Amino acid sequence: DQQVKQNSPSLSVQEGRISILNCDYTNSMFDYFLWYKKYPAEGPTFLISISSIKDKNEDGRFTVFLNKSAKHLSLHIVPSQPGDSAVYFCAASAIRGDDKIIFGKGTRLHILP
Amino acid sequence: NAGVTQTPKFQVLKTGQSMTLQCAQDMNHNSMYWYRQDPGMGLRLIYYSASEGTTDKGEVPNGYNVSRLNKREFSLRLESAAPSQTSVYFCASSEGHSMQPQHFGDGTRLSIL
Repeated sequence: DQQVKQNSPSLSVQEGRISILNCDYTNSMFDYFLWYKKYPAEGPTFLISISSIKDKNEDGRFTVFLNKSAKHLSLHIVPSQPGDSAVYFCAASAIRGDDKIIFGKGTRLHILP
Repeated sequence: NAGVTQTPKFQVLKTGQSMTLQCAQDMNHNSMYWYRQDPGMGLRLIYYSASEGTTDKGEVPNGYNVSRLNKREFSLRLESAAPSQTSVYFCASSEGHSMQPQHFGDGTRLSIL
C-alpha cells in the first residue's frame, strides 16, 4: 500500500517553461515532506523540503506547495533548464516518528530544447 | 569531502553466493540507511540504524542482514544471493532527526545470475 504516490512516471516540458511535479500521500501522520533529484548513475540529492506548518517554501527556481486538506504537494520549477532533466522523488516523514522517510516511485522530467 | 562512500560500485554474483556491500560516511551522522531501487518501484528501505549499535528492519528486509560496525560504517550482507535481489543499492546517512535530509552514496549496481 503506497503511502507516497507520484502518479506521473514521466513529464516533458519545454525549456524556459514551468515544470510541475505532483505528489499525493495517504498517511495523515506525515508532517514533513522532501523532494530529491536523481541523475543517472548517481545517488539522490536533497532539493527542497516543507514542514506541515507551512503551505509554501521557495528556494530559487524551486517552490514546493503543500495542500494538507488534499494530502497533496507539488514541486514547481521556473524556468525549467536542461540540467533539470532528472528523476524527482517525493518523500515524507513523521517528525515525531522514527527516522524513516517514505519515498514515492519518482517522476522522470525531460526538459526539451 | 567524500560524504557517503559505497563499495563496490558494480558486482555480478551467481545465485547462492554471499556478498557484503560496504558503506561509510564522514559527516558524523547518527543514522544510516540501506535502500534498494528497482525500475518503477522507487526507493525501498531495507534496513536502517538510528544510532551506533542499533538496527531495525525497513520495508523489504528479507534476505538481508546488516551491521553497524561503528558510527561511520554500515554494511549490508546478502547471505545467499537470489536473482530477485538484482537491484541498485543505495546507502544514506542523516543527522538522525526526521527533519534532516538524507545524504546518499552513488549506489552499488548488483546483478545476480
